[in-house]
Amino acid sequence: GNSVTQMEGPVTLSEEAFLTINCTYTATGYPSLFWYVQYPGEGLQLLLKATKADDKGSNKGFEATYRKETTSFHLEKGSVQVSDSAVYFCALRGSGGSNYKLTFGKGTLLTVNP
Amino acid sequence: DAGVIQSPRHEVTEMGQEVTLRCKPISGHDYLFWYRQTMMRGLELLIYFNNNVPIDDSGMPEDRFSAKMPNASFSTLKIQPSEPRDSAVYFCASTKQRDYGYTFGSGTRLTVV
Repeated sequence: GNSVTQMEGPVTLSEEAFLTINCTYTATGYPSLFWYVQYPGEGLQLLLKATKADDKGSNKGFEATYRKETTSFHLEKGSVQVSDSAVYFCALRGSGGSNYKLTFGKGTLLTVNP
Repeated sequence: DAGVIQSPRHEVTEMGQEVTLRCKPISGHDYLFWYRQTMMRGLELLIYFNNNVPIDDSGMPEDRFSAKMPNASFSTLKIQPSEPRDSAVYFCASTKQRDYGYTFGSGTRLTVV
């Protein structure tokens, strides 16, 4: 079945540091890939997505590139802010027009210190 | 748009009691999902609906859990009887057909004592 593996946290950075959160997946066919962010006490929010190989998703300074050859979708940001402190989830949706299930990784807690 | 609305935000109940969680999806969204989040198991899909019809309930842990969607604007997740191991945050999410992302509600934090 489909699965997502992301780096274990917590990750602690200083403001303006470079961020990478690794995510790899296992799936058949051509899944769609997502990053979601969860702020304390809130639900998950879609951060970015990519629906085919070599696509780059980007939003709010975050980027991730869909690499089929390495089955990866690593999240990056060049300069993090304190407000980026949250839990980040990598997720995939399997291929096939009728497949709407999202499979999530376990999440990575990011703390950014001033 | 008010987003996906869940109620209550917090629920504390005693073991053995019935618990009902409620969700109002975004108007026009065809798909509704119920997830459970715990530290140990992360996010687990419990069940999802398409056009009010349950499509996949393979994630429902056991017969104590049931979910309904009587119309396009309302869904419930019921636990009867509740047990301490059901303590978790329960999320509802919805999406439109041919859309690629979910919109999540703020969740219901359930504590069973």
